[in-house]
Parts: sequence; structure tokens; C-alpha cells
Amino acid sequence: NAGVTQTPKFQVLKTGQSMTLQCAQDMNHNSMYWYRQDPGMGLRLIYYSASEGTTDKGEVPNGYNVSRLNKREFSLRLESAAPSQTSVYFCASSVHRESYEQYFGPGTRLTVT
Amino acid sequence: QQQVKQSPQSLIVQKGGISIINCAYENTAFDYFPWYQQFPGKGPALLIAIRPDVSEKKEGRFTISFNKSAKQFSLHIMDSQPGDSATYFCAASRDSNYQLIWGAGTKLIIKP
Repeated sequence: NAGVTQTPKFQVLKTGQSMTLQCAQDMNHNSMYWYRQDPGMGLRLIYYSASEGTTDKGEVPNGYNVSRLNKREFSLRLESAAPSQTSVYFCASSVHRESYEQYFGPGTRLTVT
Repeated sequence: QQQVKQSPQSLIVQKGGISIINCAYENTAFDYFPWYQQFPGKGPALLIAIRPDVSEKKEGRFTISFNKSAKQFSLHIMDSQPGDSATYFCAASRDSNYQLIWGAGTKLIIKP
């Protein structure tokens, strides 16, 4: 039982490049989330998927897109990376949207130069 | 606009001492207040949580104190141990949208 897994662990991009962050969970959870974590700012919600087939914007969605590929997988895409997107990205899941406990992956550290 | 304010940013406590981290919120509609613990290189993990219908919740050495009128809640770690060294985040949410609003985090160091 791996929980929530994220790939890659580290990534360096040049401004304007694109990439997709992958997330998968094996806990049969319905809801999945993407956050970014910046020093002094806590975690901010980028997008979430309350259930398979649905996605909604969070607090900071600009510059990102998501895909809920199936119940297990939720990917985050940066179409044209900017230095302001340098951050640590966390994927999380919960049983339902109403289940407040969220389980987090180990994170992806992204640097955009 | 930060809706959950957390303090202090960092805290050093001697082994065996009491660690106290405070959070204040603005939105009176919040009705769920969790604390998450994060070790370096890991994602946050739920530590303990409280609803506003109780003033205190205790789990082992960890206690949440909640003051509804002051719109504040705090985490107390009794008999702090070096293994408690981590970053702690408070958060708040409400049943209408279930999104967690996070504090900025407190880096706690327990000195042996």
C-alpha cells in the first residue's frame, strides 16, 4: 500500500517549457487535490477533483491545468512555466470531499529558471 | 488575503518542555480546525483536529485548545521530544465547500 505517489521528485524547467506532474493514489479515495507550498505562505489549493470526472479551481489556478485520468490518477500540467511557479507541489487525496482528512504525497520540487 | 494567521514562524523548545503554537481566523463560518505535521522531504500528515462545539481535544501529548469568541485555536505539545521537530500547520475549513485554508506554518525545533 503505497498511499499517494508523485513523480518526478525534482524538476528544473526553463521559462516557457511545459511539463506534467503525475499523482496516483491506491486508497480508493474519491477526492484528489493539488497544492503548492511556498515559504511563509503555507499550502495553497491549485485545483481539486471531488470525484472521478469532475475538476474545480482552487485558490491559485492560473497557469495550471489538471486531468482526472481515472479514480487513481490526477495530473497537473504547466503549459508555459514561469519563475513564479517555482515551488513544491503536493498532491493529496481524501475518501470524499466531505472527509476532511487529506493524505499527502511526498511532493515535487520544481524550479523554473 | 490570509484568513488563518499562525504564530510564531519558528520555535525552539527544550526537551521535556511545552510547545505552543497559535492560530487566529477571521471567517466565523469555519467549523473544522485541523493541525498537520510535516517532516522535511515529506508531505503534511493530519495530527489532530477539532470542531467548534468543544473547547479542547487531547490525543496523547497533543492538545488543541479552541476559543470561539476570540476566534483562536492553539496546539500544545506536552513533554516535547526531539522527534517532534517538524513544521506544524494549522488550517480551517467549513462544511459549505470543504476547502482547507492553511496557516503559514511553524518550524519547531526541540533541543535535546
